Amino acid sequence: DAGVIQSPRHEVTEMGQEVTLRCKPISGHNSLFWYRQTMMRGLELLIYFNNNVPIDDSGMPEDRFSAKMPNASFSTLKIQPSEPRDSAVYFCASRGHGIEAQHFGDGTRLSIL
Amino acid sequence: GNSVTQMEGPVTLSEEAFLTINCTYTATGYPSLFWYVQYPGEGLQLLLKATKADDKGSNKGFEATYRKETTSFHLEKGSVQVSDSAVYFCALSRTSNTGKLIFGQGTTLQVKP
Repeated sequence: DAGVIQSPRHEVTEMGQEVTLRCKPISGHNSLFWYRQTMMRGLELLIYFNNNVPIDDSGMPEDRFSAKMPNASFSTLKIQPSEPRDSAVYFCASRGHGIEAQHFGDGTRLSIL
Repeated sequence: GNSVTQMEGPVTLSEEAFLTINCTYTATGYPSLFWYVQYPGEGLQLLLKATKADDKGSNKGFEATYRKETTSFHLEKGSVQVSDSAVYFCALSRTSNTGKLIFGQGTTLQVKP
């Protein structure tokens, strides 16, 4: 079975550029989560969706960050404009209805120069 | 509020040593508890879980028992291997409806041959 698929795996870009991270959840899962992981702050939940609807975006650091889930099989996390402090590993996770465990993708390692 | 506290790492052990990673939690109601493992360069993987008091989760030689009286969920393994070197995260689920997980800060385990 295919797991959660994230792309790209690595992204290096210059400050001020727009960055788009992509996630394909496990088929049939109805909840999707975006996390950010850094050495300083550990694992932070940014936003999560239930049935394609954003439920809680209180973890989104600022207006430069936005996330969408246009359908059950695709989500994006966009940073515009990007800043060096956004450098981190970004994970996407999905969860099936009535199942508490989340399944994580392998992450996108983002470096903003 | 709900929170998870793990013992600070790194934990360094010799192969075949006994492992304990402490985890305590604060939560309202009756959360489910999880241990996730993150190998270098990968996303988090569910290692084991327990959904009610006195439940014991187990997988790959790892065990953890849900202790409501001490609000703990300590991870143990009788004989660690070099391949167990990873970061271990304790987490709780607030309610199955929201699906949000509250993670501890992670504990790095290094096993030396």
